[in-house]
Amino acid sequence: GQNIDQPTEMTATEGAIVQINCTYQTSGFNGLFWYQQHAGEAPTFLSYNVLDGLEEKGRFSSFLSRSKGYSYLLLKELQMKDSASYLCAVTRGSTLGRLYFGRGTQLTVWP
Amino acid sequence: EAQVTQNPRYLITVTGKKLTVTCSQNMNHEYMSWYRQDPGLGLRQIYYSMNVEVTDKGDVPEGYKVSRKEKRNFPLILESPSPNQTSLYFCASSLYGAGSAGELFFGEGSRLTVL
Repeated sequence: GQNIDQPTEMTATEGAIVQINCTYQTSGFNGLFWYQQHAGEAPTFLSYNVLDGLEEKGRFSSFLSRSKGYSYLLLKELQMKDSASYLCAVTRGSTLGRLYFGRGTQLTVWP
Repeated sequence: EAQVTQNPRYLITVTGKKLTVTCSQNMNHEYMSWYRQDPGLGLRQIYYSMNVEVTDKGDVPEGYKVSRKEKRNFPLILESPSPNQTSLYFCASSLYGAGSAGELFFGEGSRLTVL
């Protein structure tokens, strides 16, 4: 398998900013996805990074450094509804059908 | 409405009794895949299909079979279920392969318990 690491749990308060990190060791790395999964629901797509740099999409931004094997998801102006598990997933260029997920980071947002 | 539909959503069965979890998508997606999700282990890929009649193994294919006879359907077959296959199963699809920029669309999940 691929080594994909992300923190198991994080907590933050409403209105704050939180950064969820993901590191990976993947030969032939192609791109990195972030998905959000609320309890009891299916994952939903947040972002996809293939080039180095920051991609901003509303309150959520995702960053990738290919040379460091590192990504983060930045959530601004946190809301209670952002309490969810955030899944980092990587793809390899040689196997486009394969998607390798990290174990997810459970974020709890407190009022 | 664009969606991925899985059935059944919940199932309790016994060891050795063959079962099929169906998955259907109405988005004309070429790529479909099955995952299982277990506490502490995250999502693990079981099988995937890049197109009709093209299937391949993921990380945990043992004990499962799939077929892709038509574009919209990708059933997951457990020929002889065992308790270690108790899990939450997700079907997903995307326009092209998982490595493309296209997002994966997930079904609502099927919770399977094998006694």
